[in-house]
Amino acid sequence: QKEVEQNSGPLSVPEGAIASLNCTYSDRGSQSFFWYRQYSGKSPELIMFIYSNGDKEDGRFTAQLNKASQYVSLLIRDSQPSDSATYLCAVIDTGGFKTIFGAGTRLFVKA
Amino acid sequence: NAGVTQTPKFQVLKTGQSMTLQCAQDMNHNSMYWYRQDPGMGLRLIYYSASEGTTDKGEVPNGYNVSRLNKREFSLRLESAAPSQTSVYFCASSGSSVGALSPLHFGNGTRLTVT
Repeated sequence: QKEVEQNSGPLSVPEGAIASLNCTYSDRGSQSFFWYRQYSGKSPELIMFIYSNGDKEDGRFTAQLNKASQYVSLLIRDSQPSDSATYLCAVIDTGGFKTIFGAGTRLFVKA
Repeated sequence: NAGVTQTPKFQVLKTGQSMTLQCAQDMNHNSMYWYRQDPGMGLRLIYYSASEGTTDKGEVPNGYNVSRLNKREFSLRLESAAPSQTSVYFCASSGSSVGALSPLHFGNGTRLTVT
């Protein structure tokens, strides 16, 4: 069974702090990795994707990928209360069509 | 652009009833997907269609059938609903084709309750 594992949280950080979200995956052949944000009662929306080892930055968000360790992370700098949501790690499997999701990490940013 | 449109938004069924969830996308995407989301379990893939004319099982296909009606539309059918199918259902599409890599675009979801 191919799996994507996340700490379910909740992760609570004060406003302005860095939030660090982590994810591990089991399918070594995976090539594409995504972070989606989901507000309560809403559908998931893409916030970051990463394909290559290393860091990728987009505004306050940084995605990090280590394929050797099968590890993906998302850093949110200067966290805001509006960042409070569930963050879903997602991986496209070796076949290239199926996106497998982790259970998500709930993030609370306290004002 | 509407993106991915799902209907209905809410539905209550009695055990044994049938229904079809409709999904349409206007982004000219090749691939379409049906997921269900249950508390604490994330999104689980029910069925997907990599391209028009093809469908394949995902992680949790039992109790469901799908039809890829054309490139735009992908429907999910529950033939005999069971309480275990109470969930939030999301349709999604992506522009990916073989070897390509692209994110999912989601519809707004259907909240289904089976009593």
